[in-house]
Amino acid sequence: GQQLNQSPQSMFIQEGEDVSMNCTSSSIFNTWLWYKQDPGEGPVLLIALYKAGELTSNGRLTAQFGITRKDSFLNISASIPSDVGIYFCAGQLGGFKTIFGAGTRLFVKA
Amino acid sequence: KAGVTQTPRYLIKTRGQQVTLSCSPISGHRSVSWYQQTPGQGLQFLFEYFSETQRNKGNFPGRFSGRQFSNSRSEMNVSTLELGDSALYLCASSWSLSGANVLTFGAGSRLTVL
Repeated sequence: GQQLNQSPQSMFIQEGEDVSMNCTSSSIFNTWLWYKQDPGEGPVLLIALYKAGELTSNGRLTAQFGITRKDSFLNISASIPSDVGIYFCAGQLGGFKTIFGAGTRLFVKA
Repeated sequence: KAGVTQTPRYLIKTRGQQVTLSCSPISGHRSVSWYQQTPGQGLQFLFEYFSETQRNKGNFPGRFSGRQFSNSRSEMNVSTLELGDSALYLCASSWSLSGANVLTFGAGSRLTVL
């Protein structure tokens, strides 16, 4: 079945540093989404990408939809302590089934 | 708008028992999806309901079942619980944004099986 490989699994960074994480798949997707999960909460949508090559920003977050439609990247600039959490990539290929990656757990040291 | 509400938030069961979890979607949302979250495995898709019909199903054994009512509220049931069923079960209702199916999640029901 469809699987997403998300890396890295975890990151320990200093406040103010930039962060990059990515997601790859052996299958193509029509839509890529990035979610963030805070402790004790459900994931919340950060960015949605709809076209191959698309680059979209949301404040300090920037995400890209890979040209091959098999990958996506999320960058966080100038990290702050509240960026701590689990970041999930997710892919959709038509229909209403969303496949999630295993998540990147981000730790930020003040 | 109220968010997605899941009950109970926490529960403890023993092996062999069954459990029913409830999810109330955002008002007006007709699609409800269920996911199992375990450390290291991310979110594993269980099933999705739309207008009381199961529209998609993940690769889980038949012990996992669900249903949706006419008011869009959904329940999932796990029978003959196993230790490995311990997880956070997330429900999400969805809406369409530029053709994408955007999931809004509840806070989850954390199940511990002893």
